Amino acid sequence: RKEVEQDPGPFNVPEGATVAFNCTYSNSASQSFFWYRQDCRKEPKLLMSVYSSGNEDGRFTAQLNRASQYISLLIRDSKLSDSATYLCVVNIGRGSTLGRLYFGRGTQLTVWP
Amino acid sequence: DAGVTQSPTHLIKTRGQQVTLRCSPKSGHDTVSWYQQALGQGPQFIFQYYEEEERQRGNFPDRFSGHQYPNYSSELNVNALLLGDSALYLCASSLYAGTANNEQFFGPGTRLTVL
Repeated sequence: RKEVEQDPGPFNVPEGATVAFNCTYSNSASQSFFWYRQDCRKEPKLLMSVYSSGNEDGRFTAQLNRASQYISLLIRDSKLSDSATYLCVVNIGRGSTLGRLYFGRGTQLTVWP
Repeated sequence: DAGVTQSPTHLIKTRGQQVTLRCSPKSGHDTVSWYQQALGQGPQFIFQYYEEEERQRGNFPDRFSGHQYPNYSSELNVNALLLGDSALYLCASSLYAGTANNEQFFGPGTRLTVL
């Protein structure tokens, strides 16, 4: 079983739409959670960390449900520039795996005009 | 302030050959992690170097080896290349502070094609 499971999409939405991505993780000892964004043929870049209380950064809202081992990302008022692959990332963060990031396969988003 | 740099950007090799990829971490960072990203997949952890030692290793064969220098730069070596080694190889740098929350900054990657 993979550490992080994500629906690969693709998601195709018009500008202004609201879109939600979900992922699940398998290790209940996981400590840190992130969403990374990766543009075509570029490196992943941190979009936002995800906290237990949920957090928001402009049009982006991330939620974490530790009981269900579920992470979500909500994008409101989608822009053309949001088109990218969104990677769900978990850091188990203890013992021999400290600092190792586990990535989902990514969810591809295309926003059309 | 230079971010993470990697060289070369692209590389084409044939099966059985050996390759060396290089990474310079972000200024002030002392830890380098390497990831392999196959087409359509998320990055997979190869190994991590800190204080010139391999600290952790993912599920990769011994054909994959590395090194870290006193200036924190790092190399990834792959021997006896297979077609399946074709991928984007990403280097990430961070501070090794013994916590789970240190952000990892990724370099632009080296795209390796094995023919």
